[in-house]
Amino acid sequence: DVKVTQSSRYLVKRTGEKVFLECVQDMDHENMFWYRQDPGLGLRLIYFSYDVKMKEKGDIPEGYSVSREKKERFSLILESASTNQTSMYLCASRPPPTGNYGYTFGSGTRLTVV
Amino acid sequence: AQSVAQPEDQVNVAEGNPLTVKCTYSVSGNPYLFWYVQYPNRGLQFLLKYITGDNLVKGSYGFEAEFNKSQTSFHLKKPSALVSDSALYFCAVRANSGYSTLTFGKGTMLLVSP
Repeated sequence: DVKVTQSSRYLVKRTGEKVFLECVQDMDHENMFWYRQDPGLGLRLIYFSYDVKMKEKGDIPEGYSVSREKKERFSLILESASTNQTSMYLCASRPPPTGNYGYTFGSGTRLTVV
Repeated sequence: AQSVAQPEDQVNVAEGNPLTVKCTYSVSGNPYLFWYVQYPNRGLQFLLKYITGDNLVKGSYGFEAEFNKSQTSFHLKKPSALVSDSALYFCAVRANSGYSTLTFGKGTMLLVSP
């Protein structure tokens, strides 16, 4: 079975901290994605990556950055956490976009910034 | 830009009755359409997808969805609801072109009463 693993289910961080959210997939997928989920807003795309060392901004990249040094790992970085970044963060991956594939999601990381 | 509308925040249905969760979309060209389900404090699980072919798509757990191109809709249906179907449901769309990403609706909470 394919698997996307997010290292933390729950995180509590202080305002101004630098926060790293880690995501690892074991499917040799080229494409990886970070979304945040907020009630009433659904899922919004933060950043995505088509391959190692490649990154593209999604719809709401402000306040975030990403790192993809290895194919299996895609990290989301909150440079200076703020309370409005309290949210559920979901990582996903998929094979090359030329196919008709859906995404495989991790279980999510619920981040609270205090 | 592509978009998804889920007009109902919540759908209530009695166990054993048929259910419908509505979704309409906007995308350039032909769409790839998906339904995902999310149980509390979990990531998203894939239910079904429409890529091409038969307008009625069958998926997991007895769910199906009907693609209607003229109405740009992709409603999720099930003939007989179960209490265990209670969850948050997301519709998503991406364009039928190489590097498009998935855009999600805001989600519809389905509550099935005993």
